[in-house]
Amino acid sequence: GIQVEQSPPDLILQEGANSTLRCNFSDSVNNLQWFHQNPWGQLINLFYIPSGTKQNGRLSATTVATERYSLLYISSSQTTDSGVYFCAVVRRWMGGADGLTFGKGTHLIIQP
Amino acid sequence: GAGVSQSPRYKVAKRGQDVALRCDPISGHVSLFWYQQALGQGPEFLTYFQNEAQLDKSGLPSDRFFAERPEGSVSTLKIQRTQQEDSAVYLCASSLEEDRGTQYFGPGTRLLVL
Repeated sequence: GIQVEQSPPDLILQEGANSTLRCNFSDSVNNLQWFHQNPWGQLINLFYIPSGTKQNGRLSATTVATERYSLLYISSSQTTDSGVYFCAVVRRWMGGADGLTFGKGTHLIIQP
Repeated sequence: GAGVSQSPRYKVAKRGQDVALRCDPISGHVSLFWYQQALGQGPEFLTYFQNEAQLDKSGLPSDRFFAERPEGSVSTLKIQRTQQEDSAVYLCASSLEEDRGTQYFGPGTRLLVL
């Protein structure tokens, strides 16, 4: 199956700092999503971004499908940004829908 | 509109008991997915429905796990003769489109098997 690697595994930053999270994947994809899992376990959709660039407030993401990676940028970090960030992909194939394959996540801690 | 809902939110079972976990997807969503998330890990795919048809059950860990979606909306994940290794969070997601598109996740059911 497709492999998804996220880096760094852990990141500790001061409030106000910027950060870049990376996701590498091993095959062509139909779907790539970034999620934030909050301390209560809820997976919150950040971006659906199989290719291109999107921005939403302090967050932005870029996927370079031909080079099989995606980046999530967080600017001016706030303590509420703390949690685990997951990248998840669906491999491209002709058989229809497929479940998401998740990376192991980046555990982000924003200190006040 | 309402998001994906799951019930119960927490379930404690004695080893050997059967459990049933319910998922209410977003209204009108064609695709429904079940995932299992062990502590400290990312979610792992279990099974996928398109309307009432179960098109992929390759991720179900054993024949003790069974899922259904008889009317193409609500889905139930059943685990028979629960074991301690079944302890995990079970997540349900739904998607509007059949073969691509954003998956929206419910809050999960946290299962503890004693």
